[in-house]
Amino acid sequence: SQQGEEDPQALSIQEGENATMNCSYKTSINNLQWYRQNSGRGLVHLILIRSNEREKHSGRLRVTLDTSKKSSSLLITASRAADTASYFCATVTRGNNRKLIWGLGTSLAVNP
Amino acid sequence: DGGITQSPKYLFRKEGQNVTLSCEQNLNHDAMYWYRQDPGQGLRLIYYSQIVNDFQKGDIAEGYSVSREKKESFPLTVTSAQKNPTAFYLCASSIAWGGDGYNEQFFGPGTRLTVL
Repeated sequence: SQQGEEDPQALSIQEGENATMNCSYKTSINNLQWYRQNSGRGLVHLILIRSNEREKHSGRLRVTLDTSKKSSSLLITASRAADTASYFCATVTRGNNRKLIWGLGTSLAVNP
Repeated sequence: DGGITQSPKYLFRKEGQNVTLSCEQNLNHDAMYWYRQDPGQGLRLIYYSQIVNDFQKGDIAEGYSVSREKKESFPLTVTSAQKNPTAFYLCASSIAWGGDGYNEQFFGPGTRLTVL
């Protein structure tokens, strides 16, 4: 079953601009993870944020987590054409940590 | 190189035939997963395995079967009972979960199955 809902479904920006994607979820979580998928390829893990963390950085990526609103955002700064991909959030539900619950993804296009 | 391999990359099958998708990992991960992805959709869990000789049904197991005889291998069989098998299939693995929840999953490149 899908828990996360990414917003927007699709985003198109110019190279150098920032891209922000949001993810909402329904239940209490242990952690939330963001993944990237290039067209026709497997997914690549980007960043994991635990339920007791509010913000995390990794290179040009910044992830925030608001457990009171059950939402997370992924910010990609100074975007590049190579960032063009689909981005998925996935949650590990508290009390059921055997699997990830996936959102439907945001399709990001970065135009040169 | 450590990683997950899936073969073949593209697979064509006639209706009524069973087909087996291969997934191998050399990351020494205990847990392995099979997902199905349809166009414009997220991932749906078919089966997962936490340890050798054990596996659990995911959300859409009907028409699929798996085995986990070796830690490195988790093949998926798409049977003729699967009504709409054309999809992109992804295999993943992870270290068995830590104290505060699941570790990240590592994915193979996927197999695109088309039923003719």
